[in-house]
Amino acid sequence: SAVISQKPSRDICQRGTSLTIQCQVDSQVTMMFWYRQQPGQSLTLIATANQGSEATYESGFVIDKFPISRPNLTFSTLTVSNMSPEDSSIYLCSVGGGSGRNYNEQFFGPGARLTVL
Amino acid sequence: GESVGLHLPTLSVQEGDNSIINCAYSNSASDYFIWYKQESGKGPQFIIDIRSNMDKRQGQRVTVLLNKTVKHLSLQIAATQPGDSAVYFCAENAFWGDGGATNKLIFGTGTLLAVQP
Repeated sequence: SAVISQKPSRDICQRGTSLTIQCQVDSQVTMMFWYRQQPGQSLTLIATANQGSEATYESGFVIDKFPISRPNLTFSTLTVSNMSPEDSSIYLCSVGGGSGRNYNEQFFGPGARLTVL
Repeated sequence: GESVGLHLPTLSVQEGDNSIINCAYSNSASDYFIWYKQESGKGPQFIIDIRSNMDKRQGQRVTVLLNKTVKHLSLQIAATQPGDSAVYFCAENAFWGDGGATNKLIFGTGTLLAVQP
């Protein structure tokens, strides 16, 4: 599996500010995804990060709130904009596909734990 | 780290016993399933996957069973150890509106496995 790192690992932010979370993979991957995991809950897909084009968002998530970049095949960022306490969650990136990998398998980063005061 | 299992169903087993974690999936057309293990403070870890053309697949100490008739998936862990304590999620692949399969995953609600020494 790929080695995936995320920065920051955790942060405490003030209401109304924005935070950008980075996801770095040690090898080129076809797919990159961003998930949200609210406290005590399961994972919900926010969007698919597309290399060189706009991300594809799931129902209930919009680009103005969660802008995503993916400049290449190993890196993506998720920004949580104009944060409120309801945005307090773990934000996870996952990757799939790439050389020698099963296209369907997804592997996750360690997550970024965000607390909004 | 903080727990991700605060509101999840819990399975409590004795060390050395076998564990069976169950999952009901939503779409009879789903053709790919994954089990993940999430320890406190970490991202989900890939355990084992299975395609719909199989009804059983074995890994190291783990077995996944798929019953397509009742849309049920189970994860069996043999000789459960304290290190197996975690939240376990099943996931199925998602489909486009026109019925085509995607490589996006839909996660189940999760089960907290607590191993008693």
